[in-house]
Amino acid sequence: GQNIDQPTEMTATEGAIVQINCTYQTSGFNGLFWYQQHAGEAPTFLSYNVLDGLEEKGRFSSFLSRSKGYSYLLLKELQMKDSASYLCAAMDSNYQLIWGAGTKLIIKP
Amino acid sequence: GAVVSQHPSWVICKSGTSVKIECRSLDFQATTMFWYRQFPKQSLMLMATSNEGSKATYEQGVEKDKFLINHASLTLSTLTVTSAHPEDSSFYICSARQLTSGDSYEQYFGPGTRLTVT
Repeated sequence: GQNIDQPTEMTATEGAIVQINCTYQTSGFNGLFWYQQHAGEAPTFLSYNVLDGLEEKGRFSSFLSRSKGYSYLLLKELQMKDSASYLCAAMDSNYQLIWGAGTKLIIKP
Repeated sequence: GAVVSQHPSWVICKSGTSVKIECRSLDFQATTMFWYRQFPKQSLMLMATSNEGSKATYEQGVEKDKFLINHASLTLSTLTVTSAHPEDSSFYICSARQLTSGDSYEQYFGPGTRLTVT
């Protein structure tokens, strides 16, 4: 079956760095997405990886290892506004997104 | 660019009535639109995938006669919740995929519609 695993909740301190891990199992693979979702709002796109390696975009970076079925989202210089849920989603061979349950990130001052 | 709108943003209706939610891609053509439902503190649950001009593909467990989806044009899809019941109360989110999205197949999300059935 198809499955996405990510931690339910993480806590970090303002100004610090946090890494949110995601493992996936899908029928075929056409890339991995990370979305940010604030409470009561729709998800917003953060990153897309289809090749192995690290993609850096400002304070956010995303890493992919296709052989390990593993990705992580790295958030640097955390700000209070980064408190949100972070959704990992893998695209299968039919170009459908398989969603993880999301990781709720709590930032403390 | 790549803006998706939803209307209404929130709606309260009585049990037994029907509610229509519109999803529009404002500045691009969307060959495919997706409808999701999200209950509090849970992840997105894909309800159905719709392609312009063809019937929607529903996920297992989603009643196609209850959740009517129409994708009449490349910029508009509608979801109608028929004979709504309190258990249908949820956050409904649509997303759209561009006609030509390169290699990313990124989905652009609408702001969501919060439905409360009393």
